[in-house]
Amino acid sequence: EVQLVQSGAEVKKPGESLKISCKGSGYSFTSYWIGWVRQMPGKGLEWMGIIYPGDSDTIYSPSFQGQVTISADKFISTAYLQWSSLKASDTAMYYCARLDRGWLDSWGQGTLVTVSS
Amino acid sequence: QSALTQPASVSGSPGQSITISCTGTSSDVGGYNYVSWYQHHPGKAPKLMIYDVSKRPSGVSNRFSGSKSGNTASLTISGLQAEDEADYYCSSYTSSSLLAVFGGGTKLTVL
Repeated sequence: EVQLVQSGAEVKKPGESLKISCKGSGYSFTSYWIGWVRQMPGKGLEWMGIIYPGDSDTIYSPSFQGQVTISADKFISTAYLQWSSLKASDTAMYYCARLDRGWLDSWGQGTLVTVSS
Repeated sequence: QSALTQPASVSGSPGQSITISCTGTSSDVGGYNYVSWYQHHPGKAPKLMIYDVSKRPSGVSNRFSGSKSGNTASLTISGLQAEDEADYYCSSYTSSSLLAVFGGGTKLTVL
């Protein structure tokens, strides 16, 4: 069974750094792209970017380029999403999902990030 | 890039059919068959309902169907059930970013 398990909820202050994780199991982690999706409070889903763990090739949505860093460690089947300096506007639920060709077929449970002073 | 355009809300009574539209451009919906639909119940992870415009993943009810005409894709749910009440999002590959884009989401209310 394909599973993506994300790290737990985080509460941070503006300006702090953060790295959240997404661990895959039940499939060949290096053979599928992993995508990150944001959902701000009361808003819709937004593609942030994708990474191919096999070679760490990464594509960012223009809206998120330079705002976050997506990475992966293929040896522990884990993808990451990180911020160097959080803003209040980064408060959101973040989902990782496996990308099978053009669709997201398995999703993590989500990580809630709250940024507040 | 701009989100695909979906109606903010639709509603229907149990047993009825509803259709949710998803309008894009020739750079996304109209140019590729990589249209997918997701069901999202609040507090849960989104679930893939349709991929490649009209294909259903294993385990998804055949009450859910997808289609596309020009730059508009559609999700039809027949025989509405209470558990279908959720937010629905379309997504399409877009050549403008080499990634994909979601629609703004549609809240389905089962009356």
